Amino acid sequence: EIVLSQSPATLSLSPGQRATLSCRASQNINNYLSWYQRRPGQPPRLLIYDASDRATGVPARFSGSGSGTDFTLTISNLEPEDFAIYFCQQRAKWPLTFGGGTKVEIK
Amino acid sequence: VQLVQSGAEVKKPGASVKISCKASGYTFISYPIHWVRQAPGQRLEWMGCMYLGSGDTKFSPNFQGRVTFTRDTSTATAYMELNSLRSEDTTLYYCARDSCSAGPCSMIDWGQGTLVTVSS
Repeated sequence: EIVLSQSPATLSLSPGQRATLSCRASQNINNYLSWYQRRPGQPPRLLIYDASDRATGVPARFSGSGSGTDFTLTISNLEPEDFAIYFCQQRAKWPLTFGGGTKVEIK
Repeated sequence: VQLVQSGAEVKKPGASVKISCKASGYTFISYPIHWVRQAPGQRLEWMGCMYLGSGDTKFSPNFQGRVTFTRDTSTATAYMELNSLRSEDTTLYYCARDSCSAGPCSMIDWGQGTLVTVSS
C-alpha cells in the first residue's frame, strides 16, 4: 500500500503566521491527493482535492501544491479556527490511505 | 447533503456491530460511501467503500474478511458491520460520501461519527 508521511507532527505557530505542512508519498501518486482538517469533536472536513483544488467554501488562505511524491498544504495568515489536525489522503491506488496527521497548535 | 449515523454502541469481545449511515440531500445511489475510523494516535484509517448503485465493494486489507458493507436503497441507508470485535476496535467510526460517482475521489461529506466501545 502507499504510505503517506506527514511532517512535522506538530507545528506551533501564532495567529497571523503562515503554516506549511508536508505530505510525502512512498510512490508516485500524480496529483491524487486530498487534504482534510479535523477539529476536536468534529468529523474531518475536506479542504483540498487533486493536490491544489479548494473544496467549496474553503477560504482562500488554504492552498495546496505538489505532484508525484511531495505535497504541501499552506495556510497563510492563521485564524484561530485553523488550529486543528490536518491529514493528507491518496486515491491513486487501492487501498486508500491517510497520512499520520500534522497538528497545528497555538504557540 | 447530510449523513446521519446511528448511535453509540457497547459490545463484548467477539461480538459484531452494525452501524447505519442515512443519507439525504442527494441521489443516494450515485456516489460511493466510504467507511473510515479513527486509529490510535488520532490518525484516520480507511476501512473500505461501497458503490451504492452496483453494490461493488473495496476493502482495506486490514479489514478484509471481518467487515461487510450493505445498503438499503429504499431508505437511502448504508451499513457497515464489523465482526469478531476486539478491544482495539474501540474507537470512532465515520461514513463519508465520495465526491465522484465513479470514484474514488475525495470524501466530501461526513457523518457525525459513531463511537463503538468493546469491553468485557
